[in-house]
Amino acid sequence: SQQGEEDPQALSIQEGENATMNCSYKTSINNLQWYRQNSGRGLVHLILIRSNEREKHSGRLRVTLDTSKKSSSLLITASRAADTASYFCATGQGGSEKLVFGKGTKLTVNP
Amino acid sequence: KAGVTQTPRYLIKTRGQQVTLSCSPISGHRSVSWYQQTPGQGLQFLFEYFSETQRNKGNFPGRFSGRQFSNSRSEMNVSTLELGDSALYLCASSLGGQGGTYGYTFGSGTRLTVV
Repeated sequence: SQQGEEDPQALSIQEGENATMNCSYKTSINNLQWYRQNSGRGLVHLILIRSNEREKHSGRLRVTLDTSKKSSSLLITASRAADTASYFCATGQGGSEKLVFGKGTKLTVNP
Repeated sequence: KAGVTQTPRYLIKTRGQQVTLSCSPISGHRSVSWYQQTPGQGLQFLFEYFSETQRNKGNFPGRFSGRQFSNSRSEMNVSTLELGDSALYLCASSLGGQGGTYGYTFGSGTRLTVV
């Protein structure tokens, strides 16, 4: 079953603009992870934020986590055409290696 | 270092047949997990192996099975294939079996088509 629900399902922006994707989940979590998938290929791990963290940065990526609202957001600044991909959030419950994925946001960055 | 290697990349099988997919994790990674990705159901957890032992299993029928060898390589098997088994099968490995805590490295997947 899906735990994370990404919003929006699809997002189209111009190069240079910022892209924001949101993820909501249902149960308590140990951590929340974001992955990128290019055109039906494998997933690439982008960033992980633990339940006791509120914000994390990695290059052009910024992730926030609000455990009270059970939600997270991924911000990609100064988007590039190469950022075109699907982005998934996944929650880790701790004590289990199982990740529960959302259905993803399809991001298109137009040159 | 080499990433997670999945073979084959593409596979076409007929209903009723069985199939075996292979995954070689990153050297030193002892945990291997398998996921099924379909347009309708998204990414769903199949099972996870650590040191040749299945530690977690998802909600899939018994036709789906797997194993892990002493060199951490893993195989998954699907018997009596159904059309609904058509999917991208992804393998992921993690260091120390804590991918749920530190993140996973995924392979490029095996695209299975059942006709």
